[in-house]
Amino acid sequence: SQQGEEDPQALSIQEGENATMNCSYKTSINNLQWYRQNSGRGLVHLILIRSNEREKHSGRLRVTLDTSKKSSSLLITASRAADTASYFCANGGGATNKLIFGTGTLLAVQP
Amino acid sequence: SQTIHQWPATLVQPVGSPLSLECTVEGTSNPNLYWYRQAAGRGLQLLFYSVGIGQISSEVPQNLSASRPQDRQFILSSKKLLLSDSGFYLCAWSVAGGTDTQYFGPGTRLTVL
Repeated sequence: SQQGEEDPQALSIQEGENATMNCSYKTSINNLQWYRQNSGRGLVHLILIRSNEREKHSGRLRVTLDTSKKSSSLLITASRAADTASYFCANGGGATNKLIFGTGTLLAVQP
Repeated sequence: SQTIHQWPATLVQPVGSPLSLECTVEGTSNPNLYWYRQAAGRGLQLLFYSVGIGQISSEVPQNLSASRPQDRQFILSSKKLLLSDSGFYLCAWSVAGGTDTQYFGPGTRLTVL
């Protein structure tokens, strides 16, 4: 399977703490994306980092990419209860814009 | 702005019955379209994608089929449902030739009994 893996599978933290999720992928990439999924809902795109970038920020989100290790991490700073969701990485590339999704991290932020 | 719709939101069907799930996109032209299935607590499995009307690519052999009768309409079908077809079905679109970012619909929860 080409599917990537995310670590940890589940993470529980207190409000105000930082949350770090890691993603490993298997194929070469044009970009690496992170998505969020609230329970029973569709996925929402959070951030995209291109293969020639090493770090990117968006609000409380910080993403890093290490193409030599085929890995990425998502950091959510100052977490809130509303951040509770599943987070997926996905690597993209190719004319059809197909994405290969990781297995996801379930984040629970306790108020 | 662009929106994506899926229906129905939930569906309970007996084994052996047919299936038709519909996805429509508004506010864009010639999108790439995708069907995914998500098993409980798992990641997404790409089932089909389409880069144009009548152009369907299947990612995995299965009991399902897809069609794209119009530019912004994507349909997932089955002639006879299996228990293993239960899951959460998500439709998504992306800009053809864009950055691969995909925009997802709200999903259909299918339970086959």
